[in-house]
Amino acid sequence: AQRVTQPEKLLSVFKGAPVELKCNYSYSGSPELFWYVQYSRQRLQLLLRHISRESIKGFTADLNKGETSFHLKKPFAQEEDSAMYYCALKPSFQKLVFGTGTRLLVSP
Amino acid sequence: NAGVTQTPKFRVLKTGQSMTLLCAQDMNHEYMYWYRQDPGMGLRLIHYSVGEGTTAKGEVPDGYNVSRLKKQNFLLGLESAAPSQTSVYFCASSQASGTSGDKETQYFGPGTRLLVL
Repeated sequence: AQRVTQPEKLLSVFKGAPVELKCNYSYSGSPELFWYVQYSRQRLQLLLRHISRESIKGFTADLNKGETSFHLKKPFAQEEDSAMYYCALKPSFQKLVFGTGTRLLVSP
Repeated sequence: NAGVTQTPKFRVLKTGQSMTLLCAQDMNHEYMYWYRQDPGMGLRLIHYSVGEGTTAKGEVPDGYNVSRLKKQNFLLGLESAAPSQTSVYFCASSQASGTSGDKETQYFGPGTRLLVL
């Protein structure tokens, strides 16, 4: 079965510290993986997708098929990064499977 | 463009009452989805639609019905609400495509907070 695991419910760091939000998935095929973010009082929105190999707002995520991971990283956290982050897997045409989310809290 | 809108924003129901949540999108997207968001559970897909007049079950469809009579609208119905259906409901839409890329991106509505007493 397809599953996305985000082991941390809450990640609290200080401004300027590195951040890594963990995401592991289980899927036998070729995965498509995404990170979605929900800022306070805003709607859920796409942050980045693995196929684009892009850096958005300083965040990057590398797909590691050997470890079945897609961790989200940022070298220097900012207060405005505080939000709920969801890792998502697209195992079949247009049906995303979301993880349970990690709340990132960046303190000054 | 308004994107994806949801009506109502908040509702309180008594057990056994019925209601319909409305989702509308003005992006001409083929695909629409209904999710529920619960603490510690993340987002779970309730039902989805791959086009006007078609619907399909997601991960947690029991207790819900949907209709997609118009391409821009996707309705979620609760025939007999239960306290277990207390949740935040999100609608999303995306373009239809068989390839990866921007067309796969799901655009979400602001959510509807439902409390069933």
